[in-house]
Amino acid sequence: DAGVTQTPRHEVAEKGQTIILKCEPVSGHNDLFWYRQTKIQGLELLSYFRSKSLMEDGGAFKDRFKAEMLNSSFSTLKIQPTEPKDSAVYLCASRGDREVFFGKGTRLTVV
Amino acid sequence: GEKVEQHESTLSVREGDSAVINCTYTDTASSYFPWYKQEAGKSLHFVIDIRSNVDRKQSQRLIVLLDKKAKRFSLHITATQPEDSAIYFCAADASSGSWQLIFGSGTQLTVMP
Repeated sequence: DAGVTQTPRHEVAEKGQTIILKCEPVSGHNDLFWYRQTKIQGLELLSYFRSKSLMEDGGAFKDRFKAEMLNSSFSTLKIQPTEPKDSAVYLCASRGDREVFFGKGTRLTVV
Repeated sequence: GEKVEQHESTLSVREGDSAVINCTYTDTASSYFPWYKQEAGKSLHFVIDIRSNVDRKQSQRLIVLLDKKAKRFSLHITATQPEDSAIYFCAADASSGSWQLIFGSGTQLTVMP
């Protein structure tokens, strides 16, 4: 039984690069979330999809962060251009009925 | 909007003792309060939740209490074991029935043998 799958697990990018993070939610789940986790800010919501429709685009993260969900089983988060302050763990999560399941995350380091 | 404050950033207990982690929230309309555990190097996973129609819920060694008047909820871990060591996050829905979870900042629990 596959949970939420995220790739890659680690990513190192140079400042100014474009990176794309990938997520496969739990099969059958209608809600998909992207969070950013840092020690200082904790968990911050970046995007939320319900049945592939973008419901929330994360306000302050709009300008360089773009999440897409082309089909119900795959989502991407693009960061363009990357900045050192984007270094964090990016978590994808999905929800069916009630409980939210998280992926293992992508640790992004921007140098 | 909803804010969730997690009061203890770190907590150390001896194995076998109880641990209590406290959270407060601001939106009286919130009705769903889950707890998540994050072990070192791993992602978050769900441990227990409580809805606003009850004030206590227990699952094995985990007890969640909810005080709606005080807008406070807490996680009690009884008979702690070393494998309980992790970061625990409380959360609340942004408003009743909302899709969005607002997370606390996390509590690093260390259970000492």
